[in-house]
Amino acid sequence: GENVEQHPSTLSVQEGDSAVIKCTYSDSASNYFPWYKQELGKRPQLIIDIRSNVGEKKDQRIAVTLNKTAKHFSLHITETQPEDSAVYFCAASATGNQFYFGTGTSLTVIP
Amino acid sequence: NAGVMQNPRHLVRRRGQEARLRCSPMKGHSHVYWYRQLPEEGLKFMVYLQKENIIDESGMPKERFSAEFPKEGPSILRIQQVVRGDSAAYFCASSPSSGGFDTQYFGPGTRLTVL
Repeated sequence: GENVEQHPSTLSVQEGDSAVIKCTYSDSASNYFPWYKQELGKRPQLIIDIRSNVGEKKDQRIAVTLNKTAKHFSLHITETQPEDSAVYFCAASATGNQFYFGTGTSLTVIP
Repeated sequence: NAGVMQNPRHLVRRRGQEARLRCSPMKGHSHVYWYRQLPEEGLKFMVYLQKENIIDESGMPKERFSAEFPKEGPSILRIQQVVRGDSAAYFCASSPSSGGFDTQYFGPGTRLTVL
């Protein structure tokens, strides 16, 4: 089955700096890669996703890149703000039904 | 449009008791997914259901766990004879369809504590 690894597990950045979270996956059939943000005690919420037919997608301060050859994808947050502090999960799916999640990155943005 | 609803939000059970977790998908959504999140860990897929059908239960423990999504009413995740290791947050998510990689919308979760 699919194995998704996520790094780093914790990340601290100064407000205004950029944050990058990386994920690798093992199943070459995976072709959908969503990213979720989970604030403490709350539900995961989708923030951005990318499909395998594109290499990059941007939405304001958030961008995701995908390298299918290397089987890795990354989340980039620019101009970080304290409200970006949360746990971020990457996921991969080949079927659209079963999603394999990374173990999460706890991001802290220091004011 | 109400989001995914889960209840109870917190559930405390003693070892050996049964836990029933309920999930009402978003209006118009016919696909439900259950995930388990252990403390400081990621989300682990458990089961994917459509109305009256279990589509994929490859993530479900073979014993004590069962799930259903009846024609009427919420989806139920049932854990029999709970053990301390079952303590976790259980999230359900729903989507309008499958195969098209529709976004999954998560409920607020049920935090199960087994004493």
